[in-house]
Amino acid sequence: AQSVSQHNHHVILSEAASLELGCNYSYGGTVNLFWYVQYPGQHLQLLLKYFSGDPLVKGIKGFEAEFIKSKFSFNLRKPSVQWSDTAEYFCAVNGAGNTPLVFGKGTRLSVIA
Amino acid sequence: DSGVTQTPKHLITATGQRVTLRCSPRSGDLSVYWYQQSLDQGLQFLIQYYNGEERAKGNILERFSAQQFPDLHSELNLSSLELGDSALYFCASSLSDGSFYEQYFGPGTRLTVT
Repeated sequence: AQSVSQHNHHVILSEAASLELGCNYSYGGTVNLFWYVQYPGQHLQLLLKYFSGDPLVKGIKGFEAEFIKSKFSFNLRKPSVQWSDTAEYFCAVNGAGNTPLVFGKGTRLSVIA
Repeated sequence: DSGVTQTPKHLITATGQRVTLRCSPRSGDLSVYWYQQSLDQGLQFLIQYYNGEERAKGNILERFSAQQFPDLHSELNLSSLELGDSALYFCASSLSDGSFYEQYFGPGTRLTVT
């Protein structure tokens, strides 16, 4: 069965620190990969997505993610976090055609001044 | 604001009862998805409708049902409620029914079953 693992449940960083959130997936066949963010009290928003092509994907707000097929990973990175990045981050995967999104359980990021 | 609206925002009800959650997709979007988010299970796909027809089914209990109306809004009906049904229910919409289409999420309905 398809699954997504986000190993970090809660990450606490100081402002200006670098961020890397892990995401590993188990999915047969072609995959589409996504990172969503949920700021406190708000709806989920798409940060970035990978369908094909360059495995390094740039998203909004300075985030990027790298698809490493051999490691079944799609880690999210940001070189310097801000207090406003405090949120819950979800990795998700689906396949070709019309397959449902499978989400990881999320990583809560707290950025402290 | 994603353009997807959900009502009500909060719902408190008793075990055994039935509730209806409502979702209005973004203007022009034909697909509607329902998700359940709970602490233990995370965010789980329940069901998808496209232009009024059921398109995909996930881990949706038999006590739950959904439909999409001609004006494209959707309702999720939960019956014979149990304590374990307490969760956040999200609706999302997308332009069409392919995996490539971005899903836009609503603010959610928080259901508490007492």
